[in-house]
Amino acid sequence: AQSVTQLGSHVSVSEGALVLLRCNYSSSVPPYLFWYVQYPNQGLQLLLKYTSAATLVKGINGFEAEFKKSETSFHLTKPSAHMSDAAEYFCAVSDQTGANNLFFGTGTRLTVIP
Amino acid sequence: DVKVTQSSRYLVKRTGEKVFLECVQDMDHENMFWYRQDPGLGLRLIYFSYDVKMKEKGDIPEGYSVSREKKERFSLILESASTNQTSMYLCASRTGTGGAETQYFGPGTRLLVL
Repeated sequence: AQSVTQLGSHVSVSEGALVLLRCNYSSSVPPYLFWYVQYPNQGLQLLLKYTSAATLVKGINGFEAEFKKSETSFHLTKPSAHMSDAAEYFCAVSDQTGANNLFFGTGTRLTVIP
Repeated sequence: DVKVTQSSRYLVKRTGEKVFLECVQDMDHENMFWYRQDPGLGLRLIYFSYDVKMKEKGDIPEGYSVSREKKERFSLILESASTNQTSMYLCASRTGTGGAETQYFGPGTRLLVL
């Protein structure tokens, strides 16, 4: 069965600092992996996804993530945090069964300190 | 752009009431999903549908039912609302059944059951 673990339910960074949000996955088959962002009082928006092409995936708003099979990780990074990055971030893995549903992590709330 | 709309942003209901949450997507997507989102638990799948009049149980279907009479509309029904169903409800849609396909989310309905 597929699952994801997001380490750190809350992460605080200073404006301009590196953002690193951690995601580890468990999957018995090659996974598809997703990062979604949720701004306050909104639904989820896709940041980026890994679909077995390039291991370094670039997304919107300057975010990127690297798929590392040996570490079963798909960490999200951004070189320089902006105040507008404050949101909750969810990592998800596709279950690769007939339904191909998503399994979500428990989320990481990012706070950006001015 | 894909647009997923939900009928209400906020709802307050009383215990025992029948509650309908409506979701409409405008991109002719085959698949639609209902999740609930709770702090510290991430998103959990309630029900999904891969075609009109078709439905499948997700991870937490107890206390819920769904209806999909038209391709663009997917309704979540709480037959007899209870306080433990107070939550944020998110609808999503997706084209096809491939694991790499993106799910698109509505803005959510925050339901309070008193």
